[in-house]
Amino acid sequence: DTGVSQDPRHKITKRGQNVTFRCDPISEHNRLYWYRQTLGQGPEFLTYFQNEAQLEKSRLLSDRFSAERPKGSFSTLEIQRTEQGDSAMYLCASSHRGARGYEQYFGPGTRLTVT
Amino acid sequence: LAKTTQPISMDSYEGQEVNITCSHNNIATNDYITWYQQFPSQGPRFIIQGYKTKVTNEVASLFIPADRKSSTLSLPRVSLSDTAVYYCLVGDILTGGGNKLTFGTGTQLKVEL
Repeated sequence: DTGVSQDPRHKITKRGQNVTFRCDPISEHNRLYWYRQTLGQGPEFLTYFQNEAQLEKSRLLSDRFSAERPKGSFSTLEIQRTEQGDSAMYLCASSHRGARGYEQYFGPGTRLTVT
Repeated sequence: LAKTTQPISMDSYEGQEVNITCSHNNIATNDYITWYQQFPSQGPRFIIQGYKTKVTNEVASLFIPADRKSSTLSLPRVSLSDTAVYYCLVGDILTGGGNKLTFGTGTQLKVEL
């Protein structure tokens, strides 16, 4: 078990550019979540997948955001035409039904700065 | 969604027991209570989870009264390394629906010598 990994750890981009983040969940975890966290706030749910199916999206997720999880393994989160308000930490988590229900294991996050 | 209320911050000293209380007045029947810990520049880490009464593991205890409208995370004999933000979550974890798990603003615990 190598934990959830995210790449890149940091990303600086100019407003209007597109960015893509990758998340590799713990192997055999069938659920994968994306969250966004701004300074001083708790993580905010964006979307989640069960295997390759995207089952739920937050109303906070604008049309500029898209997420995929091909083949039910790694996932990507793309932000198109980035805005300064998109600056945040983007966290990925994975889970499976274990002894503690759907306990979520978080990755280290990708910190996005839009200039 | 069951909203949670926690103190914004707490201070303690090494070796003390710390109790952080979370209010969740509109908790639903299927909701569990879960606590996470988060260090700067890291993702949250699961600490403990419970439905009612008392749950204890190797790092913490969770006390839940009969009405389940609040819960208390108890950290015994804290150390400097316990300085972190602690989040109380309330949600229907059995179905795992992401929208049903909501993080509040958390409690910043600062432990000093």
